[in-house]
Amino acid sequence: NAGVTQTPKFRILKIGQSMTLQCAQDMNHNYMYWYRQDPGMGLKLIYYSVGAGITDKGEVPNGYNVSRSTTEDFPLRLELAAPSQTSVYFCASSFGTGKGYSGNTIYFGEGSWLTVV
Amino acid sequence: GQNIDQPTEMTATEGAIVQINCTYQTSGFNGLFWYQQHAGEAPTFLSYNVLDGLEEKGRFSSFLSRSKGYSYLLLKELQMKDSASYLCAVRSPGGGYNKLIFGAGTRLAVHP
Repeated sequence: NAGVTQTPKFRILKIGQSMTLQCAQDMNHNYMYWYRQDPGMGLKLIYYSVGAGITDKGEVPNGYNVSRSTTEDFPLRLELAAPSQTSVYFCASSFGTGKGYSGNTIYFGEGSWLTVV
Repeated sequence: GQNIDQPTEMTATEGAIVQINCTYQTSGFNGLFWYQQHAGEAPTFLSYNVLDGLEEKGRFSSFLSRSKGYSYLLLKELQMKDSASYLCAVRSPGGGYNKLIFGAGTRLAVHP
């Protein structure tokens, strides 16, 4: 039962460096999401995708880019890393977003701890 | 605007009952979720309410009143492993899909 898998789990970046957080899901979910969680704060949506080839901005997209070439994969790219991007990043997926059975529950990956110094 | 409020911290005793409240103001409502998040781990799904009333799942129950913009999560027979953050999240339509808005979470500490 892999579910949502994201890598790496921990990473330290220097200011100005770039990197990609990988995310894959094996539940054939249409929707995928990237959230960040800062200490004592709620999860904030960075980007989301409603299917392969379709992505859109969430609440806090600046400094990030995404792509969705397949149903399974949804990588998050950080260009020119800044200290403000130090956070925990969660990839997530759901079948849909309507009411439905169980409300189309969102399932989360285990998180990636990123520090920018 | 969109706003979800829940207490920052709560403490309780092993074996007791605790109620975690959540109030929300959102532009539209398509359901409310409760997630549990242990320190250093991902949120895991606990419950979902879309109609008014109580949903019971073992030791955990969740209540919703849409007219009051209010929900609570009730945890019975508390165990030490229930020490975690509990996130309230509301699904709200807009921007082409039903977005999920999270509260900051309530950190629950269960003591012996």
